[in-house]
Amino acid sequence: QQQVKQSPQSLIVQKGGISIINCAYENTAFDYFPWYQQFPGKGPALLIAIRPDVSEKKEGRFTISFNKSAKQFSLHIMDSQPGDSATYFCAASIKDKIIFGKGTRLHILP
Amino acid sequence: DAGVIQSPRHEVTEMGQEVTLRCKPISGHNSLFWYRQTMMRGLELLIYFNNNVPIDDSGMPEDRFSAKMPNASFSTLKIQPSEPRDSAVYFCASSYRPRANTEAFFGQGTRLTVV
Repeated sequence: QQQVKQSPQSLIVQKGGISIINCAYENTAFDYFPWYQQFPGKGPALLIAIRPDVSEKKEGRFTISFNKSAKQFSLHIMDSQPGDSATYFCAASIKDKIIFGKGTRLHILP
Repeated sequence: DAGVIQSPRHEVTEMGQEVTLRCKPISGHNSLFWYRQTMMRGLELLIYFNNNVPIDDSGMPEDRFSAKMPNASFSTLKIQPSEPRDSAVYFCASSYRPRANTEAFFGQGTRLTVV
């Protein structure tokens, strides 16, 4: 119930393409869904987040799509760039408790 | 602000030894989290504190692990005795309540290797 399932584990995308990472959850008490980005040797950092009363949130090239009825959400990275190569974590939280997915290693080919 | 500060950055220890990881949260933050990252299990929440009080330690793997937060500016995660399967990157993160659902700021992590 506390799990967040993330797929794929790894993803290779051509420069300029769209990167899509999917997540699913079971606990309907989760009320905040952030995405974190992690570069090698660094800690994760918040990229973008959404609340369940919103179906989509866009910030620059990054968009979260949220499907409350299906308990699924996804991250879309438009016009993917080599600098986007990193590990991406979806997460879900209740109050302070943040549960992370296992992560997706994204590699953008130049 | 310097961000969340963790020490040491790297730790290599022998099986059976005691290991202490340290964390200084961002000044003014009142929630603190300890996470463990491995390839197999991803980012696991071990324990979190609010106003220096442990709120949820259900992620602590076993009694060999303990965490303390004696004041608002310092926390430790101790493993005693350490085992090779404890090898991982341990992250500390902090955030500010009462604003709920705010960003958690992570430190750079401590890479622990138990041989």
